[in-house]
Amino acid sequence: QSALTQPPSASGSPGQSVTISCTGTSSDVGGYNYVSWYQQHPGKAPKLMIYEVTKRPSGVPDRFSGSKSGNTASLTVSGLQAEDEADYYCSSYAGSNVLFGGGTKLTVL
Amino acid sequence: EVQLLESGGTSIQSGGSLRLSCAVSGLSISTYAMSWVRQAPGKGLDWVSSLYSSGSRQYADSVKGRFTISRDNSENTLFLQMNSLRVEDTAVYYCAKDKGPNYGDQNDYWGQGTLVTVYS
Repeated sequence: QSALTQPPSASGSPGQSVTISCTGTSSDVGGYNYVSWYQQHPGKAPKLMIYEVTKRPSGVPDRFSGSKSGNTASLTVSGLQAEDEADYYCSSYAGSNVLFGGGTKLTVL
Repeated sequence: EVQLLESGGTSIQSGGSLRLSCAVSGLSISTYAMSWVRQAPGKGLDWVSSLYSSGSRQYADSVKGRFTISRDNSENTLFLQMNSLRVEDTAVYYCAKDKGPNYGDQNDYWGQGTLVTVYS
C-alpha cells in the first residue's frame, strides 16, 4: 500500500495556472476512474475539490479541473487566487483500499 | 444540513484501547460509504478504514487486525474500535462520508476531527 506520489510544493502568481501531478500504478490511479483531489487549509478538515477524475462537487469553482493519463492524475488550478494557497492531496481507490498522495503545498506568490 | 461530529479522542498509553464515535445528522449513514482518515501531526492524510453501505469493511494494512469499523444505524453513528494502540497511531482522526455507497475515496463531508495521542 504505497502512497501516491505528489510533488511536495508548487507555486504560481495570482492569475496564473498551476498543475499538480499524482502518480500511482495500474493497480490504483491507472486502474480505476476513482481519483479525487482534496484542499486543506491549516487547521481545517479537507475539502473535496474533484472526484471521479474530472467531476467538480457543487460549489467548487470551475477554475479547478482534473484529468488523468495512464497512471498519473493531475489537478489544474487556473486563475490562481490568494485563497487557493493550501495543501492539496490526491486519493485513489485501489481495489480493497484507498491511497492518498503525500500532499502538495501550493503557494500563491 | 449535513454534520459529522467525532468524539472519543484522548491521550492513552501504547497497548491500550479506545473507541471513536462519529455522530451524523442530515443523512442516513447506512446509505453511504463512511470512512475514517487520520493525519499525524504535520503529516499528510492517511486512509484508515471504510464501511460500505452493503456492510463490507476495508482496512489499511497498518491497522488490520487491530481496528474495527462499525455503525449503529438507529443512532446514525459511525465507530472505530482501536485496540493494541501504538505510538505511530497518534493522529487527528477524521470521520468522512462518501458521495456514494462504495469505495470511500470521494468524501464530500468531513467532521472536525478528534485527536488521539498514544504515548509509550
